[in-house]
Amino acid sequence: DIEMTQSPSSLAASVGDRVIITCRASQDIRGYLNWYKQKPGKGPEFLIHATSSLHTGVPSRFSGSGSGTEFTLTISGLQPDDFATYYCQQSLTNPLTFGGGTKVEV
Amino acid sequence: EEQLVESGGGLVQPGGSLRLSCRTSGFTFSSYWMHWVRLSPGKGLMWVSRMDSLGINIHYDDSVKGRFTMSRDNSKNTLYLQMNSLTADDTAVYYCARGDNGSLGHWGQGTLVTVSS
Repeated sequence: DIEMTQSPSSLAASVGDRVIITCRASQDIRGYLNWYKQKPGKGPEFLIHATSSLHTGVPSRFSGSGSGTEFTLTISGLQPDDFATYYCQQSLTNPLTFGGGTKVEV
Repeated sequence: EEQLVESGGGLVQPGGSLRLSCRTSGFTFSSYWMHWVRLSPGKGLMWVSRMDSLGINIHYDDSVKGRFTMSRDNSKNTLYLQMNSLTADDTAVYYCARGDNGSLGHWGQGTLVTVSS
């Protein structure tokens, strides 16, 4: 199985900050990397697919980049609704695997 | 608007069974792969299973293989997960999600399964 490792596991930030979350894969996943956002008590929301393509309706302050085994999610200008937990996920092979999550909090 | 609504969760004793359902609306259910994913306390998200649009190709995580059975009824726009021989490790919120080229484009709100005596 491909192991996905996120860092940090949590971070403190303020509205307006630039936030960067890193995701590492245990092997080359050829850009098959997706990002999700989850708020307590709700299902995850799809943010980014294939490393850098924003899902419909996702604000442009979100961006993704990377290749091979190293990927990042950047939030440029954190908004109140962005305080949440973020997960990366590889879709290259079965089983689909997720990172451990990064909680963005005040 | 795409909607997915899970139901069927609850408290069950170790060794017991539960059947989860996921009713969908707002999209052509019969055209999509569907997935089950769970969120366990302190463990993050874990993919459980997926099924193609016709219900022919099904894959399971090794941890549930032989105990969980995924199925679908395209006439009812509904997905199912039959869970048998449950253990404490299966305690989680279970989500159904629509597959979109390997990503999970739409999710339900989840249903809580608690395995405890």
